[in-house]
Amino acid sequence: SSELTQDPAVSVALGQTVRITCQGDSLGRYYASWYQQKPGQAPVLVFYGENNRPSGIPDRFSGSNSGDTASLTITGAQAEDEAHYYCNSRDLTGDHVIFGGGTKLTVL
Amino acid sequence: EEQLIESGGGLVQPGGSLRLSCTASGFTFSNYEMNWVRQAPGKGLEWIAYINGRNFVMYYADSVKGRFTVSRDNARNSMWLQMNSLRVDDTAVYYCAREDLWGHDAFEMWGQGTKVSVSS
Repeated sequence: SSELTQDPAVSVALGQTVRITCQGDSLGRYYASWYQQKPGQAPVLVFYGENNRPSGIPDRFSGSNSGDTASLTITGAQAEDEAHYYCNSRDLTGDHVIFGGGTKLTVL
Repeated sequence: EEQLIESGGGLVQPGGSLRLSCTASGFTFSNYEMNWVRQAPGKGLEWIAYINGRNFVMYYADSVKGRFTVSRDNARNSMWLQMNSLRVDDTAVYYCAREDLWGHDAFEMWGQGTKVSVSS
């Protein structure tokens, strides 16, 4: 079955740029969506599709896609960006949704 | 204000049943495809069920297929997840999530979740 692979943990210095990646066969066919989740809170959509940022999400969040890899970039990371980040997409059947295992982002 | 509110979680014994509810407000519920997503303690997100807005096509993750049933009533702005034959590994926070309208498969709105604990 399809899987999405994310690095378990990434760190970034305050104000620097970080890229979080998501790799999987389904990303050659479907775009990824990206979610931020802070402890004890529900996930929040931060980027999706080819180039879409929901209303209210800072423009330091951006996304890109290349082959079977999707990336979420935070340009000028802030302390409040420290969270878990998850990608998802449809699987290769198109009927199911799959999530990556999540990346814990630490802002140093 | 647009929102989703889950309810119905609780403690249940293995083999038992529980019915979760997701109540929508502030938007035209029937226009949206809806999903259930769960998160076991300390773990990542797991999609478990989908239902579309009009003809009620449903899909399930293999982990719950045959045990869980998703349904909705657009007139009541509500969606449900009937969970039968519950197992200890079904213990999780269960979220309902709304997909975007434009076919991006993005879960653009989430409820705050309801906690389900399966234990003897």
